Amino acid sequence: GENVEQHPSTLSVQEGDSAVIKCTYSDSASNYFPWYKQELGKRPQLIIDIRSNVGEKKDQRIAVTLNKTAKHFSLHITETQPEDSAVYFCAARPAAGNKLTFGGGTRVLVKP
Amino acid sequence: DAGITQSPRHKVTETGTPVTLRCHQTENHRYMYWYRQDPGHGLRLIHYSYGVKDTDKGEVSDGYSVSRSKTEDFLLTLESATSSQTSVYFCAISESEGAGGYTFGSGTRLTVV
Repeated sequence: GENVEQHPSTLSVQEGDSAVIKCTYSDSASNYFPWYKQELGKRPQLIIDIRSNVGEKKDQRIAVTLNKTAKHFSLHITETQPEDSAVYFCAARPAAGNKLTFGGGTRVLVKP
Repeated sequence: DAGITQSPRHKVTETGTPVTLRCHQTENHRYMYWYRQDPGHGLRLIHYSYGVKDTDKGEVSDGYSVSRSKTEDFLLTLESATSSQTSVYFCAISESEGAGGYTFGSGTRLTVV
């Protein structure tokens, strides 16, 4: 089955700096890659996603890039703010089926 | 709200007792999932359903069973709870195969003592 690895497990950045989280996946058939943000004590919520026919996608201060050849994808957060502090999860889903496999999560702390 | 609710929100139970967690959706989505969340492990799939009475195992299904007798309800049962099943359990829904990401419920924090 699919295996998703996520790095780093924790990330501390100064407010205003950029944050980058990287994920690798094992199943070359995976074609959908969402990112979730989970604030303390809350449910994970989808913040951005990318499909395998696209190399990059942006939404305001967040962007996701995908390298299918290397089987890795990354989340970029620019101009970080304290409200970006949360746990972020990447995930991958193969073309056949509807199950997401999640990475282990990255705890991001934005220091004011 | 998100159209998906979990109950109970918190539960403390004793080792060896059966426990049932409920997930209820009002979105009429076909797919429903149960994940558990543990530090360092992210979200791991326990069981999922692709329709009424259609269920399948995930990667950490041992000790758990599920049932889906109606589109809107997906039940997770711990047959005989163990301390290793202390976790936060999330239910999720998605509309169809190939659709976008999941919508998660608010979670159930289960403690087995």
